[in-house]
Amino acid sequence: DGGITQSPKYLFRKEGQNVTLSCEQNLNHDAMYWYRQDPGQGLRLIYYSQIVNDFQKGDIAEGYSVSREKKESFPLTVTSAQKNPTAFYLCASSASGPGETQYFGPGTRLLVL
Amino acid sequence: SQQGEEDPQALSIQEGENATMNCSYKTSINNLQWYRQNSGRGLVHLILIRSNEREKHSGRLRVTLDTSKKSSSLLITASRAADTASYFCATDSNSGYALNFGKGTSLLVTP
Repeated sequence: DGGITQSPKYLFRKEGQNVTLSCEQNLNHDAMYWYRQDPGQGLRLIYYSQIVNDFQKGDIAEGYSVSREKKESFPLTVTSAQKNPTAFYLCASSASGPGETQYFGPGTRLLVL
Repeated sequence: SQQGEEDPQALSIQEGENATMNCSYKTSINNLQWYRQNSGRGLVHLILIRSNEREKHSGRLRVTLDTSKKSSSLLITASRAADTASYFCATDSNSGYALNFGKGTSLLVTP
């Protein structure tokens, strides 16, 4: 999992609750990403950030929000607007530039109570 | 959007056999990467092949790229039980520096 960490490993969300997933990297990477993975599926891009204080929506951004106040940190909030949040969430980082190798965290599994 | 598509979806072989997985993609690329994911874990980068390369080796891994057919293959030779995992190909996307991942090939290697 390299120098990128995610917490918690498991997270439970109640109806109507916002929850925040943490992602930290010490690889000095400018770019960071959030992906969602459903069982037996590939990764779908939620949000990405190519530099501090800037981020862009990915393919499935609805119901999610992010911030990028520090280079090392890219937290993801799953809001109550996300009606089907149960999934495995993966954070990654990379050097700047298209097609760079991405380094992934160990993931957070979000479950709805 | 998922540009890469792996084939087969699932593969079961015995230890010592070779495993071949294929990836097809739709648009032109700068490079193509292969990643591995053990169950319930994050992805780990295996190998990157650039669009001007045709073949690349890394240990027991061999990757080929055919840009005219928009396809790549990953060959794992002399497989081991520890190779059991899902394998994904990834290509450039039009979302900044993000990658497009396929749905993966699930490989099971039995002793």
